[in-house]
Amino acid sequence: GAVVSQHPSWVICKSGTSVKIECRSLDFQATTMFWYRQFPKQSLMLMATSNEGSKATYEQGVEKDKFLINHASLTLSTLTVTSAHPEDSSFYICSARPGTYEQYFGPGTRLTVT
Amino acid sequence: AQSVTQLDSQVPVFEEAPVELRCNYSSSVSVYLFWYVQYPNQGLQLLLKYLSGSTLVESINGFEAEFNKSQTSFHLRKPSVHISDTAEYFCAVTPIAGGSYIPTFGRGTSLIVHP
Repeated sequence: GAVVSQHPSWVICKSGTSVKIECRSLDFQATTMFWYRQFPKQSLMLMATSNEGSKATYEQGVEKDKFLINHASLTLSTLTVTSAHPEDSSFYICSARPGTYEQYFGPGTRLTVT
Repeated sequence: AQSVTQLDSQVPVFEEAPVELRCNYSSSVSVYLFWYVQYPNQGLQLLLKYLSGSTLVESINGFEAEFNKSQTSFHLRKPSVHISDTAEYFCAVTPIAGGSYIPTFGRGTSLIVHP
């Protein structure tokens, strides 16, 4: 139980284009979903917290117009990287929280912007 | 606010040797504690957690961690490691009070098991 999927697992896009990453909780409903960014050999950097049906809360320094988050249902959240640039290349991980404390992570999406 | 310190960025160890990965935290409120494991190019998997009750918690693959409130620590241990335990390990805390329940992660410890 408590499986979270992410799609795609990896994507290569050209600079200036937009990329959408999906995060789904497969066997539970997630009241809250988190989006993280991870650089090589580093910890997770929380980008934003999203609650179903409301606007995402972005962490300081994260551009909300660049990283669009939509939490349309209790099982789906999407992260859209708009006008991607090479510096946006990273490993993006989502997590879903069915209750208050525990969270379950997706397998991650490797984004490479050329 | 909370902070998590994983003192060792890298821990090399030989197979079948014991290992301890250290985690200390600071928080103005009570917290729940977690250890996650991340294999290369994968997301994080919950290894074990402390919510309440016995301060010693165990995972199904032989890891254990002990919550020490007085020392604000939650060190992860395994008496005999395997090559397959090679991975990145993250300690995390989530505040119990405050409303947001946003977790804070440590920087991670890379466990490298040599044959």
